[in-house]
Amino acid sequence: DGGITQSPKYLFRKEGQNVTLSCEQNLNHDAMYWYRQDPGQGLRLIYYSQIVNDFQKGDIAEGYSVSREKKESFPLTVTSAQKNPTAFYLCASSTRSGGVDTQYFGPGTRLTVL
Amino acid sequence: GENVEQHPSTLSVQEGDSAVIKCTYSDSASNYFPWYKQELGKGPQLIIDIRSNVGEKKDQRIAVTLNKTAKHFSLHITETQPEDSAVYFCAALYTGTYKYIFGTGTRLKVLA
Repeated sequence: DGGITQSPKYLFRKEGQNVTLSCEQNLNHDAMYWYRQDPGQGLRLIYYSQIVNDFQKGDIAEGYSVSREKKESFPLTVTSAQKNPTAFYLCASSTRSGGVDTQYFGPGTRLTVL
Repeated sequence: GENVEQHPSTLSVQEGDSAVIKCTYSDSASNYFPWYKQELGKGPQLIIDIRSNVGEKKDQRIAVTLNKTAKHFSLHITETQPEDSAVYFCAALYTGTYKYIFGTGTRLKVLA
């Protein structure tokens, strides 16, 4: 929270459909991240971007795609290739303070595949 | 490889007692260790963090300690209150990749 917005809060998708999750930040942070959280589990990194027009795969990138055309925006597309997309998706951004990156999270989007 | 272990997975304490959550990281190059509190259905909230050049940091009822030699860091909550009930995550920043590696979380229940 605090300058990171995610929309929508809840999202329902039919099998075989692509869906895009929005993440916007007004904190002037260079780096942005997408995580997936399954019930009762920790956070797994999907993609991250350290700078505009550049991004790297995280640990579970298969079936997902991202873009970073603007500093403040980092949308995540969940494609039909993602076999089990139902999860809580968290966006984060970070700023460098004292030589390290302090990371803040958005409120999350809960995606349910029907 | 990059790994953070967190214990315990669940913790129940009586209101007013202290709670301690421990994490161990694998990469000695890590230099930043944040702690997050996550309430049900919400995003994690940063509650305290510590850098590798510091051994302890306090913020009111919350404190974090770091033992770089043993690669351990711990969260201490004193005088627990029911509103402290949540899931707590530790993390370590791996400077080689600039990725955060998270622990698996601790569900803290403060019993009134």
